[in-house]
Formats: sequence, structure tokens, C-alpha cells
Amino acid sequence: SAVISQKPSRDICQRGTSLTIQCQVDSQVTMMFWYRQQPGQSLTLIATANQGSEATYESGFVIDKFPISRPNLTFSTLTVSNMSPEDSSIYLCSVGTGGSLNEKLFFGSGTQLSVL
Amino acid sequence: AQSVTQLDSHVSVSEGTPVLLRCNYSSSYSPSLFWYVQHPNKGLQLLLKYTSAATLVKGINGFEAEFKKSETSFHLTKPSAHMSDAAEYFCVVSGLYYGNNRLAFGKGNQVVVIP
Repeated sequence: SAVISQKPSRDICQRGTSLTIQCQVDSQVTMMFWYRQQPGQSLTLIATANQGSEATYESGFVIDKFPISRPNLTFSTLTVSNMSPEDSSIYLCSVGTGGSLNEKLFFGSGTQLSVL
Repeated sequence: AQSVTQLDSHVSVSEGTPVLLRCNYSSSYSPSLFWYVQHPNKGLQLLLKYTSAATLVKGINGFEAEFKKSETSFHLTKPSAHMSDAAEYFCVVSGLYYGNNRLAFGKGNQVVVIP
């Protein structure tokens, strides 16, 4: 299994500012993912964080708004840039540890973001 | 692409009575199906998964789910609810798509257990 430490657990931010969320894993993992869960909605994949290369973004998400870093196999950050109230969501880090994504997928406890 | 439908965003059950959470999916490929649980201030935890083996899947904490292809369903059940079952439950479907796994999450069921 993998233990994921995600922080901050929650934050309240002002419009126009940026917040960086950190995800630390207790073991080396190949695949790291960032999800967003907007109020009343299901989880939506933002991007796959690739070690040594740029993140792969899903449709509707762009690097300028959600820059991601993946400096090594145990750590990643997601920045929510130039925030607006529409960015108020829970953001979740996830890792895949097995050869098959479906088999071994673990989630962090999430970051509750509120933008005023 | 795949999608997941979870009706009843909020479900209330009395302690000791059965729990039933419904999940219907659509997928262009043979899907893998999962149920995850999220307790307050905790990460998502895998309850059980179906990956083309037995259609009745037993998970942790007394939960089980049955894959019914004809009904495209994967409902989660537990015979007797416990107070510790109060949490949010997500049904998730995954299917190979152009060589990349894609996960689709349902909107979740918030379960309240009444003493």
C-alpha cells in the first residue's frame, strides 16, 4: 500500500491569489494524479503528473491555470492559479502503485479550498 | 468513454438495517468497477472491486456488490448497517481506452446511519 500525505487539508483564499497543494508519498510511485471534486459533483481528473516531463492535462484543464510539478517519484504539487470562487472545490492527489492502474490506486485525504 | 450514475445523493438508514447503494454504469469496453468509501477528513479507501472474475464481490467491513452486465449495474449492499458506516461512497468505473485507463466517478452517496 501507499500512504499519502496531502497538505494543506483546507484553506480559505482571496480571489486572484494562488495556492500550491503538496502531495507526498511514502514510497516511489510511477503514476500520480490530481482530481477535483466540485460541490455536489463527482471527482474529475485534472491531470497526470509525470516524473521528468510535463503533466498531461485532461480536456478543460490547462497548465497556466493548474501548473503541476513532479520533481521525483514521491512528490508532486498542484497550484491553483489566479483563483476565483468557481475554483472552490476539494482537490485530491492519487497514486497508482501497481502495473495496472486499476489494481492499486490510493488517494490522499484531500484539500478543501474555499475562494472568497 | 464511460460514465457512472449514483442516484440518491443522501441515504439514511437505521442501525442494524440493510444498506443498498445503487450504481449504474455505461462503458464501451469491458469495465472494471470499484466502490470507494470516504470517511470525514480521510482519504478515499477501496471497499471492493470487480475485474472480470466472480460477479459477486465481497469487500471489507461486510460490504458486497454484484456485477450484473444485463442491467449494467454494480449495486453495493450490506446486511446490517453500523454507525461506523456513515460516510460517502463512490462508485467508479474504468475501462481501457486507447491504451490508457480512464476512471469515471459517480457523484457519491452520503450515508447517514440513524441510531
